[in-house]
Amino acid sequence: GQNIDQPTEMTATEGAIVQINCTYQTSGFNGLFWYQQHAGEAPTFLSYNVLDGLEEKGRFSSFLSRSKGYSYLLLKELQMKDSASYLCAVRDRWGGNTPLVFGKGTRLSVIA
Amino acid sequence: GAVVSQHPSWVICKSGTSVKIECRSLDFQATTMFWYRQFPKQSLMLMATSNEGSKATYEQGVEKDKFLINHASLTLSTLTVTSAHPEDSSFYICSARDTRIAATEAFFGQGTRLTVV
Repeated sequence: GQNIDQPTEMTATEGAIVQINCTYQTSGFNGLFWYQQHAGEAPTFLSYNVLDGLEEKGRFSSFLSRSKGYSYLLLKELQMKDSASYLCAVRDRWGGNTPLVFGKGTRLSVIA
Repeated sequence: GAVVSQHPSWVICKSGTSVKIECRSLDFQATTMFWYRQFPKQSLMLMATSNEGSKATYEQGVEKDKFLINHASLTLSTLTVTSAHPEDSSFYICSARDTRIAATEAFFGQGTRLTVV
């Protein structure tokens, strides 16, 4: 079956750096995604990794190790508006129209 | 970027009635759209894959006769919750990819908060 694990909740201080981990066990792999979701809103795309290594995009970076089934999302210079849920999702097979399998999300609280 | 529009944003209905939710791709064609459901503090769970011009593919445990999906055009998919009950109250979200440009990420509609009373 498909299994995607990430911590339920995290708290970090404004201006700091936080790392949100995600491990996955899926029948196949065709990319890992991170989305941000504020309460009551739809998810918004943050990053995509399909090859091993680090992808950097402004204050956000995402890392992937396919051999370990592991990814992390790194948020730098935290701001209060970064308080949200962060969803790790995997596309488990090739094909133009394959749905994403989501983890349960990590609720991040940024405190002053 | 690609835009997916979902309507309505929220709806309250009486138990036993039906509710229709629309999902539109505004600036691209989507042969496939996905419908997810999210309960409070839970993740997005895939309900079904909506295929233009053919029957939807439902995930295990999702009643196809209760959640009717119609994908009549390349830009519109609808989800109808029939004979809604309070346990159907949830956040329903659709998504689609613009595969013409080999886009990798899926874009999501704004979501629909359904409350059945």
